[in-house]
Amino acid sequence: QVQLQESGAGLAKPSQTLSLTCTVSGDPINVGGYYWSWIRRCPGKGLEWIGYTYFTGSAYYNPSLRSRVAISIDTSKNQFSLSLSSVTAADTAIYYCARGSDILTGYPFDYWGQGALVTVSS
Amino acid sequence: QSVLTQPPSASGTPGQRVTISCSGSSANTGSNSVSWYQHFPGTAPKLLIYDNDQRPSGVPARFFGSRSGTSASLAISGLQSDDEADYLCAAWDDSLRGPVFGGGTRLTVL
Repeated sequence: QVQLQESGAGLAKPSQTLSLTCTVSGDPINVGGYYWSWIRRCPGKGLEWIGYTYFTGSAYYNPSLRSRVAISIDTSKNQFSLSLSSVTAADTAIYYCARGSDILTGYPFDYWGQGALVTVSS
Repeated sequence: QSVLTQPPSASGTPGQRVTISCSGSSANTGSNSVSWYQHFPGTAPKLLIYDNDQRPSGVPARFFGSRSGTSASLAISGLQSDDEADYLCAAWDDSLRGPVFGGGTRLTVL
């Protein structure tokens, strides 16, 4: 059974960098056919795709966040990470990591983490 | 202000059939497959339907997905109390080159 678990600081100060890590268990992360994603839900809003990476390290980002986001992958630790810089209160959200499938039609997310709340406040 | 539009709430009594809609545009639901997720707050969302109407292994046949034009629907028949959850739709968006989501529908079993 594949499991994803987010970890990282639950509080970030404005203008600082938010960092989260997703640890994957039950399957190796260094295989093709999947893309490793970060998604968030801000209070009162719907889900927003942040970006994703492949095991090769190639990453793609939502244009609205591209200037502030970096997603990296560490196949030796079976983890991938999110870095979001220059945060403001608008970045307060529940952050989810998820595995997207290139194998299934429509590229659905077949496994998700339970989410990590990050609050941006001084 | 989600890209895909879902009703915020739906309800039904045990045994009933309920339907949840998801509406988008030609850039997403009109040209790409829709997936549906069941989410109990505080837990990991679960894939219920992919490719509009396909169920992953282990998902009961009570959950049925369909798509027509730029709209998709999730039907749940034989409603049970533990179906009470949030239901989310998603689709790949060709303009964004990434996935877009609905705002979610909170299902209440009366």
